[in-house]
Amino acid sequence: QQPVQSPQAVILREGEDAVINCSSSKALYSVHWYRQKHGEAPVFLMILLKGGEQKGHDKISASFNEKKQQSSLYLTASQLSYSGTYFCGAGGTSYGKLTFGQGTILTVHP
Amino acid sequence: DAMVIQNPRYQVTQFGKPVTLSCSQTLNHNVMYWYQQKSSQAPKLLFHYYDKDFNNEADTPDNFQSRRPNTSFCFLDIRSPGLGDAAMYLCATSRDSLAGQETQYFGPGTRLLVL
Repeated sequence: QQPVQSPQAVILREGEDAVINCSSSKALYSVHWYRQKHGEAPVFLMILLKGGEQKGHDKISASFNEKKQQSSLYLTASQLSYSGTYFCGAGGTSYGKLTFGQGTILTVHP
Repeated sequence: DAMVIQNPRYQVTQFGKPVTLSCSQTLNHNVMYWYQQKSSQAPKLLFHYYDKDFNNEADTPDNFQSRRPNTSFCFLDIRSPGLGDAAMYLCATSRDSLAGQETQYFGPGTRLLVL
Protein backbone atom coordinates (compact mmCIF):
# COMPACT_ATOMS: atom_id res chain seq x y z
CA GLN A 1 0.00 0.00 0.00
CA GLN A 2 1.28 3.42 -0.99
CA PRO A 3 2.54 5.78 1.75
CA VAL A 4 0.59 9.01 2.00
CA GLN A 5 2.41 12.31 1.70
CA SER A 6 1.21 15.68 2.86
CA PRO A 7 0.85 18.33 1.75
CA GLN A 8 0.32 17.58 -1.94
CA ALA A 9 1.87 20.91 -2.93
CA VAL A 10 3.77 23.72 -1.28
CA ILE A 11 4.62 27.17 -2.60
CA LEU A 12 7.41 29.08 -0.87
CA ARG A 13 9.48 32.19 -1.24
CA GLU A 14 13.23 31.85 -1.06
CA GLY A 15 14.39 31.60 2.52
CA GLU A 16 11.17 30.10 3.89
CA ASP A 17 10.94 26.70 5.56
CA ALA A 18 8.81 23.69 4.67
CA VAL A 19 7.92 20.32 6.13
CA ILE A 20 6.79 17.33 4.09
CA ASN A 21 5.25 14.38 5.86
CA CYS A 22 5.07 10.74 4.89
CA SER A 23 2.92 8.21 6.71
CA SER A 24 2.26 4.55 6.19
CA SER A 25 -0.55 2.26 7.27
CA LYS A 26 1.92 -0.64 7.24
CA ALA A 27 5.08 -1.10 9.24
CA LEU A 28 7.92 1.05 7.99
CA TYR A 29 11.36 -0.54 8.04
CA SER A 30 13.16 2.21 6.23
CA VAL A 31 12.31 5.52 4.60
CA HIS A 32 14.00 6.89 1.51
CA TRP A 33 13.61 10.49 0.33
CA TYR A 34 14.07 11.55 -3.27
CA ARG A 35 13.68 14.77 -5.21
CA GLN A 36 12.69 14.74 -8.85
CA LYS A 37 12.81 17.69 -11.20
CA HIS A 38 10.54 17.78 -14.20
CA GLY A 39 11.63 15.37 -16.92
CA GLU A 40 14.54 14.06 -14.87
CA ALA A 41 15.21 10.98 -12.78
CA PRO A 42 14.65 10.97 -9.02
CA VAL A 43 17.73 11.98 -7.06
CA PHE A 44 18.45 10.34 -3.73
CA LEU A 45 18.42 12.68 -0.71
CA MET A 46 18.69 10.43 2.31
CA ILE A 47 17.68 7.15 3.88
CA LEU A 48 16.53 6.56 7.45
CA LEU A 49 16.85 3.06 8.77
CA LYS A 50 15.99 3.23 12.42
CA GLY A 51 13.18 4.62 14.42
CA GLY A 52 14.17 7.88 15.99
CA GLU A 53 16.88 8.43 13.44
CA GLN A 54 17.44 11.93 12.18
CA LYS A 55 19.67 12.91 9.33
CA GLY A 56 20.54 16.00 7.44
CA HIS A 57 22.90 17.69 5.08
CA ASP A 58 23.03 21.31 4.10
CA LYS A 59 19.63 22.62 5.08
CA ILE A 60 17.62 19.49 4.38
CA SER A 61 16.99 17.05 7.20
CA ALA A 62 14.59 14.25 8.01
CA SER A 63 13.27 12.30 10.95
CA PHE A 64 11.75 8.84 11.27
CA ASN A 65 9.21 7.87 13.91
CA GLU A 66 8.99 4.10 13.61
CA LYS A 67 6.21 3.73 16.15
CA LYS A 68 3.97 6.20 14.39
CA GLN A 69 5.08 4.88 11.00
CA GLN A 70 5.86 8.39 9.89
CA SER A 71 8.73 10.35 8.47
CA SER A 72 9.14 14.07 7.92
CA LEU A 73 11.45 15.99 5.60
CA TYR A 74 12.50 19.46 6.71
CA LEU A 75 13.69 22.07 4.24
CA THR A 76 15.19 25.11 5.92
CA ALA A 77 15.84 28.48 4.28
CA SER A 78 14.70 27.14 0.94
CA GLN A 79 16.57 27.90 -2.25
CA LEU A 80 15.30 28.04 -5.81
CA SER A 81 17.11 24.76 -6.49
CA TYR A 82 14.86 23.00 -3.97
CA SER A 83 11.93 23.16 -6.39
CA GLY A 84 10.74 19.78 -7.58
CA THR A 85 8.61 16.85 -6.55
CA TYR A 86 9.61 15.10 -3.35
CA PHE A 87 8.89 11.42 -2.92
CA CYS A 88 9.19 9.29 0.14
CA GLY A 89 9.85 5.62 -0.48
CA ALA A 90 8.85 3.02 2.06
CA GLY A 91 11.10 0.00 2.42
CA GLY A 92 9.32 -3.14 3.58
CA THR A 93 10.41 -6.59 4.53
CA SER A 94 10.20 -7.88 0.96
CA TYR A 95 13.62 -7.30 -0.41
CA GLY A 96 13.88 -5.06 -3.40
CA LYS A 97 10.54 -3.37 -2.93
CA LEU A 98 10.41 0.35 -2.43
CA THR A 99 6.89 1.79 -2.52
CA PHE A 100 6.73 5.48 -3.25
CA GLY A 101 4.28 8.01 -1.89
CA GLN A 102 2.30 10.08 -4.35
CA GLY A 103 4.73 12.97 -4.17
CA THR A 104 4.73 16.55 -2.90
CA ILE A 105 5.29 19.35 -5.40
CA LEU A 106 7.51 22.06 -3.94
CA THR A 107 7.82 25.39 -5.75
CA VAL A 108 10.22 28.05 -4.54
CA HIS A 109 9.82 31.56 -5.91
CA PRO A 110 12.41 34.36 -5.74
CA ASP B 1 31.14 9.26 -14.69
CA ALA B 2 27.72 7.96 -15.71
CA MET B 3 26.54 5.22 -13.39
CA VAL B 4 23.14 4.11 -14.66
CA ILE B 5 22.61 4.61 -18.36
CA GLN B 6 19.37 4.23 -20.23
CA ASN B 7 18.91 4.09 -23.96
CA PRO B 8 17.25 5.54 -25.79
CA ARG B 9 16.21 8.65 -23.86
CA TYR B 10 13.13 9.02 -26.04
CA GLN B 11 11.36 6.23 -27.87
CA VAL B 12 8.42 6.54 -30.20
CA THR B 13 6.61 3.38 -31.19
CA GLN B 14 3.37 2.43 -32.85
CA PHE B 15 0.43 0.81 -31.16
CA GLY B 16 1.13 -2.92 -30.94
CA LYS B 17 4.72 -2.72 -32.21
CA PRO B 18 7.18 -4.39 -29.82
CA VAL B 19 9.75 -2.15 -28.22
CA THR B 20 12.84 -2.77 -26.08
CA LEU B 21 14.34 -0.34 -23.61
CA SER B 22 17.83 -0.88 -22.27
CA CYS B 23 19.63 -0.10 -19.06
CA SER B 24 23.28 -0.53 -18.19
CA GLN B 25 25.21 0.19 -15.02
CA THR B 26 28.84 0.71 -14.08
CA LEU B 27 28.25 0.30 -10.34
CA ASN B 28 28.42 -3.50 -10.31
CA HIS B 29 25.23 -3.57 -8.24
CA ASN B 30 23.52 -6.90 -7.95
CA VAL B 31 19.97 -5.55 -7.95
CA MET B 32 18.30 -3.83 -10.90
CA TYR B 33 14.77 -2.43 -10.99
CA TRP B 34 12.34 -1.23 -13.62
CA TYR B 35 9.77 1.41 -12.75
CA GLN B 36 6.98 2.94 -14.77
CA GLN B 37 6.16 6.57 -14.05
CA LYS B 38 3.17 8.30 -15.60
CA SER B 39 2.74 12.04 -15.58
CA SER B 40 2.32 13.53 -12.11
CA GLN B 41 2.44 10.09 -10.49
CA ALA B 42 4.92 8.23 -8.35
CA PRO B 43 7.25 5.65 -9.87
CA LYS B 44 5.59 2.24 -9.87
CA LEU B 45 7.78 -0.84 -9.56
CA LEU B 46 7.25 -3.32 -12.40
CA PHE B 47 9.87 -5.93 -11.47
CA HIS B 48 13.39 -6.34 -10.25
CA TYR B 49 16.31 -8.72 -10.52
CA TYR B 50 18.34 -9.84 -7.55
CA ASP B 51 21.34 -11.17 -9.45
CA LYS B 52 19.66 -13.51 -11.92
CA ASP B 53 16.54 -14.04 -9.85
CA PHE B 54 13.57 -12.32 -11.44
CA ASN B 55 10.85 -10.85 -9.22
CA ASN B 56 7.64 -9.72 -10.84
CA GLU B 57 5.13 -7.45 -9.14
CA ALA B 58 1.70 -9.05 -8.92
CA ASP B 59 0.01 -6.27 -10.87
CA THR B 60 2.57 -5.96 -13.65
CA PRO B 61 0.83 -6.80 -16.95
CA ASP B 62 2.05 -9.81 -18.94
CA ASN B 63 2.75 -7.39 -21.77
CA PHE B 64 5.90 -6.37 -19.90
CA GLN B 65 8.89 -8.69 -19.86
CA SER B 66 12.47 -8.29 -18.76
CA ARG B 67 15.85 -9.83 -19.44
CA ARG B 68 19.13 -9.55 -17.62
CA PRO B 69 21.87 -11.24 -19.64
CA ASN B 70 24.63 -10.17 -17.24
CA THR B 71 25.27 -8.00 -14.18
CA SER B 72 25.64 -4.80 -16.16
CA PHE B 73 22.66 -4.92 -18.49
CA CYS B 74 18.92 -5.18 -18.12
CA PHE B 75 16.22 -4.88 -20.77
CA LEU B 76 12.54 -4.06 -20.65
CA ASP B 77 10.46 -5.55 -23.45
CA ILE B 78 6.96 -4.33 -24.13
CA ARG B 79 5.43 -6.93 -26.41
CA SER B 80 2.40 -5.02 -27.66
CA PRO B 81 2.44 -1.42 -26.46
CA GLY B 82 -0.90 0.23 -25.90
CA LEU B 83 -1.66 3.90 -25.58
CA GLY B 84 -1.80 3.45 -21.81
CA ASP B 85 1.83 2.33 -21.76
CA ALA B 86 3.09 5.77 -22.68
CA ALA B 87 5.18 6.81 -19.70
CA MET B 88 8.67 7.43 -18.39
CA TYR B 89 10.47 4.15 -17.70
CA LEU B 90 13.08 4.34 -15.00
CA CYS B 91 15.83 1.86 -14.33
CA ALA B 92 17.45 1.79 -10.91
CA THR B 93 20.16 -0.24 -9.20
CA SER B 94 21.20 -0.98 -5.65
CA ARG B 95 23.93 -2.99 -4.00
CA ASP B 96 21.64 -5.15 -1.96
CA SER B 97 17.98 -5.05 -1.34
CA LEU B 98 17.70 -6.48 2.14
CA ALA B 99 14.54 -5.00 3.59
CA GLY B 100 14.84 -2.06 1.21
CA GLN B 101 17.77 -0.65 3.11
CA GLU B 102 20.04 0.22 0.25
CA THR B 103 20.02 3.40 -1.78
CA GLN B 104 18.59 3.04 -5.24
CA TYR B 105 20.38 4.90 -8.00
CA PHE B 106 18.20 5.91 -10.90
CA GLY B 107 19.05 6.27 -14.54
CA PRO B 108 17.82 9.30 -16.51
CA GLY B 109 14.79 7.40 -17.82
CA THR B 110 13.35 6.61 -21.23
CA ARG B 111 10.25 8.49 -22.23
CA LEU B 112 8.02 6.24 -24.33
CA LEU B 113 5.43 7.64 -26.68
CA VAL B 114 2.91 5.30 -28.32
CA LEU B 115 1.20 6.48 -31.48
